[in-house]
Amino acid sequence: NAGVTQTPKFQVLKTGQSMTLQCAQDMNHNSMYWYRQDPGMGLRLIYYSASEGTTDKGEVPNGYNVSRLNKREFSLRLESAAPSQTSVYFCASSINRYSNQPQHFGDGTRLSIL
Amino acid sequence: SQELEQSPQSLIVQEGKNLTINCTSSKTLYGLYWYKQKYGEGLIFLMMLQKGGEEKSHEKITAKLDEKKQQSSLHITASQPSHAGIYLCGAEPAGGTSYGKLTFGQGTILTVHP
Repeated sequence: NAGVTQTPKFQVLKTGQSMTLQCAQDMNHNSMYWYRQDPGMGLRLIYYSASEGTTDKGEVPNGYNVSRLNKREFSLRLESAAPSQTSVYFCASSINRYSNQPQHFGDGTRLSIL
Repeated sequence: SQELEQSPQSLIVQEGKNLTINCTSSKTLYGLYWYKQKYGEGLIFLMMLQKGGEEKSHEKITAKLDEKKQQSSLHITASQPSHAGIYLCGAEPAGGTSYGKLTFGQGTILTVHP
């Protein structure tokens, strides 16, 4: 049982390049989330998707776009990467936003922008 | 916005010692989640607390939520090297439309010396 799978695991970009981080879950969850983790700041929510076909901004959405491709997949796109976006990115999913069930996390994508 | 403050930021203990990590919120919480993260990996769900005064245990880890639902503690009894990692608390504020939008503390780094 894979759970939440993120690709790639590592990536180095140059300033101004674009890329898409992929996330897929096989738990039939309705809600999916993208976080970034920076030293000393915990995790901060970038975007989330309460259900297929909907997306909403989180705490730090600037510089990012998302696509909920289907129930399984939720991608995060950096259109023009900036050094401030160097971080570890985590995707998570949950049954739905209203349940008393926890969010399940992937292993993260470590992104460096030079 | 809601803030979660964890203390201490880091903790070094000798194997076999007990320890406590605290998580304090500026607002009343709807739900409080504890996660553990090992370096280079994703977050592993430990426990969720929702009711004031609630206490849950799993193996040697006990989590409590105070009656006012603004402070939680995570207690590890007879620590082992396998307990080492980063412990994060995450929470949803009570009321409003913030369901599923977790705010996280900055994390507590635990080192256990054999």
